Amino acid sequence: AQRVTQPEKLLSVFKGAPVELKCNYSYSGSPELFWYVQYSRQRLQLLLRHISRESIKGFTADLNKGETSFHLKKPFAQEEDSAMYYCALRWRTGNQFYFGTGTSLTVIP
Amino acid sequence: ETGVTQSPTHLIKTRGQQVTLRCSSQSGHNTVSWYQQALGQGPQFIFQYYREEENGRGNFPPRFSGLQFPNYSSELNVNALELDDSALYLCASNTGGEETQYFGPGTRLLVL
Repeated sequence: AQRVTQPEKLLSVFKGAPVELKCNYSYSGSPELFWYVQYSRQRLQLLLRHISRESIKGFTADLNKGETSFHLKKPFAQEEDSAMYYCALRWRTGNQFYFGTGTSLTVIP
Repeated sequence: ETGVTQSPTHLIKTRGQQVTLRCSSQSGHNTVSWYQQALGQGPQFIFQYYREEENGRGNFPPRFSGLQFPNYSSELNVNALELDDSALYLCASNTGGEETQYFGPGTRLLVL
């Protein structure tokens, strides 16, 4: 069963425009959710996690348990934000991570 | 502090063969996870090792097996290769109590 869904495979926004990358999950219990990013020719790396409630590179993500969502948002997109973004859920039992299929974000200058 | 390294970077095998992929964890990390990433998909969890013991397994058949060594380096072995095994194989390491995983660059496997 798909535990993490990212409905958009491709997303393009203009520089300076707001951006939202969607992530929905299915999990019974208290989830731990993460956003990972992969820039061109770089390895996958952690962007942020919901437990920290932090803002990284201007990105934030709020866990909405009612809507089972963990959307990634940034008010003003920058060209350097162009990358592949993966939402991931950590299954507490066994410390397993489940990744979505990813959204490729392109910020148009 | 060194990052996660993987070898080889890419290789080509034929159906039915066996392959061993290697991962060197980041210094101080005792947990390693392996993922398969098919083209256009997100990473799929294969299994995890913690202090040389398997600590969780995804929905992969037994012909996918692993090892973790005392120095916390790791191997992924795949027997009886199938065409669908063609993918990027990622390993990621972390300390046991830390959620943040550090990924290697991956090994790209092509099965013909």
